[in-house]
Amino acid sequence: DAGVTQSPTHLIKTRGQQVTLRCSPKSGHDTVSWYQQALGQGPQFIFQYYEEEERQRGNFPDRFSGHQFPNYSSELNVNALLLGDSALYLCASSLFPGGWSPLHFGNGTRLTVT
Amino acid sequence: GEDVEQSLFLSVREGDSSVINCTYTDSSSTYLYWYKQEPGAGLQLLTYIFSNMDMKQDQRLTVLLNKKDKHLSLRIADTQTGDSAIYFCAERGHSGGYQKVTFGTGTKLQVIP
Repeated sequence: DAGVTQSPTHLIKTRGQQVTLRCSPKSGHDTVSWYQQALGQGPQFIFQYYEEEERQRGNFPDRFSGHQFPNYSSELNVNALLLGDSALYLCASSLFPGGWSPLHFGNGTRLTVT
Repeated sequence: GEDVEQSLFLSVREGDSSVINCTYTDSSSTYLYWYKQEPGAGLQLLTYIFSNMDMKQDQRLTVLLNKKDKHLSLRIADTQTGDSAIYFCAERGHSGGYQKVTFGTGTKLQVIP
């Protein structure tokens, strides 16, 4: 049973550039949530996708955008990168956002902005 | 808004019990979770408790919930060196019918052999 997979595992970008991170949910899951985890902090909610639409959003600027595809996989895009965007980006999948299904996490993408 | 707080660090001797505490603010929380994060990895779900329960036991793990005080704890019996990790408490609230899970800052558990 494939769990949540994320790519790439590591990424180095320069300030001002744009980045795309990818996530495939756990088999059978239809909802994807993205979190940002800065060093030494807990994960911060970015947004959640269900049925190819953004359903909820945390306190992140519009530079952060996403997409969900018909096969439930998802992308996180960040434009105009800032040094402060350096973090571990975690994707989590679950079954139907209104149900009880807990979040299952991937191993994350470590983004470094120089 | 939702807020989840945890102490930052806990050190215990191998074989002792560990107790990690958490407080949360969202009175509409439906589920509360404990996740474990090892270095360089994502978060692994350890256990969860529904808000109408007081206690849940799962092998070496015991979760206690005091809903009145909005206090959650995780007890690990017979703590092993492999339990060394960061433990996150999380609460799930509802916003417009969709779940939103809020995490604490994490408690780093150090197990001394």
